[in-house]
Amino acid sequence: SAVISQKPSRDICQRGTSLTIQCQVDSQVTMMFWYRQQPGQSLTLIATANQGSEATYESGFVIDKFPISRPNLTFSTLTVSNMSPEDSSIYLCSLQLTSGRETQYFGPGTRLLVL
Amino acid sequence: RKEVEQDPGPFNVPEGATVAFNCTYSNSASQSFFWYRQDCRKEPKLLMSVYSSGNEDGRFTAQLNRASQYISLLIRDSKLSDSATYLCVVNIKGYGQNFVFGPGTRLSVLP
Repeated sequence: SAVISQKPSRDICQRGTSLTIQCQVDSQVTMMFWYRQQPGQSLTLIATANQGSEATYESGFVIDKFPISRPNLTFSTLTVSNMSPEDSSIYLCSLQLTSGRETQYFGPGTRLLVL
Repeated sequence: RKEVEQDPGPFNVPEGATVAFNCTYSNSASQSFFWYRQDCRKEPKLLMSVYSSGNEDGRFTAQLNRASQYISLLIRDSKLSDSATYLCVVNIKGYGQNFVFGPGTRLSVLP
């Protein structure tokens, strides 16, 4: 497996502001993903963070709202833009290792509360 | 119909009990299957992959029935530390990776 860290671990933000979440991995990985887990819900994939190209967004998620960067194989950021209380959620990055079975491993998550 | 469905629970069982969770998926083209465990306020962690022939890891047994599009997880001799939410996960391969998470089944093992 790999060691995955996320920053910040939690934040409380005001409506209309933006927050950038960082995800750092201790080894090079091909595929990184960003998920959202709303209170009491399961995980929903936001997008696949592609290294060197634009992220691939799932239905219901758009780049203007959730811009993603992936400058290299060990790092990615997710920005939650123009936040509203409905964006209050846990945001998790995950990765799939380049070798081994196709399983995903998750970072510790960023707990976001928007007032 | 949701892509992955699970018994919502909660399942409240005494220590030592055997408990089984069920999961159904709607996409017959699904390629691989997993059970993840999520503790309260923590990230999901892989519990076990599910193979076509069924597989066992200690007290945990996973079964897959492709014809019925059904996955199960059996926990024997439940421990207090097994209390968590169990997520059924289906990988629907197509464009890139597409892991679809079920809503989870909450388990509480009681002393």
